[in-house]
Amino acid sequence: KNQVEQSPQSLIILEGKNCTLQCNYTVSPFSNLRWYKQDTGRGPVSLTIMTFSENTKSNGRYTATLDADTKQSSLHITASQLSDSASYICVVTPATNKLIFGTGTLLAVQP
Amino acid sequence: DTEVTQTPKHLVMGMTNKKSLKCEQHMGHRAMYWYKQKAKKPPELMFVYSYEKLSINESVPSRFSPECPNSSLLNLHLHALQPEDSALYLCASSVPGQSSYEQYFGPGTRLTVT
Repeated sequence: KNQVEQSPQSLIILEGKNCTLQCNYTVSPFSNLRWYKQDTGRGPVSLTIMTFSENTKSNGRYTATLDADTKQSSLHITASQLSDSASYICVVTPATNKLIFGTGTLLAVQP
Repeated sequence: DTEVTQTPKHLVMGMTNKKSLKCEQHMGHRAMYWYKQKAKKPPELMFVYSYEKLSINESVPSRFSPECPNSSLLNLHLHALQPEDSALYLCASSVPGQSSYEQYFGPGTRLTVT
């Protein structure tokens, strides 16, 4: 069964600190892996997208890594800001093209 | 323009009402999607339109009726909904056919069924 699991479920950090979110998946074969940021009550916004052959992708303070051998991805946020408070969703696209969403990590950045 | 717009932002309707959700994009995308998202849960795919034709229906109850009148517009007609249908309804669009293409999401419509 294709699954995408994320950890932790929720995380609280202080403004300015770094954090790393984890994503483990069992989808195989897969086309790409994406990280989305979703503010409460809003639509998801894409942060990064990586194919199976890519190891890392950066977007400003966001850096995603992918290990296709262990089927793990991480999203590292550097120098967190209050506006980073949101849900972060890992999404894997299998060969069928239908997106498989992870359950998300709820991040709260406190001053 | 990389924006997907959705109207209304909020909708409250009774179980006997008929209402419609609207989605619009002007990126030239020929694939459009409806998702349903409950609180603290990931989005669940409902329908996919490709080149204005319904290509995927994820066994959605008939009280939800999608419509794609042209390549820029996507509607979701609602009738005789149940309270458990209350959720955030998201529209998305992309270039069809290639999984590597980005899906752009709209801000969603918050639906409450009373």
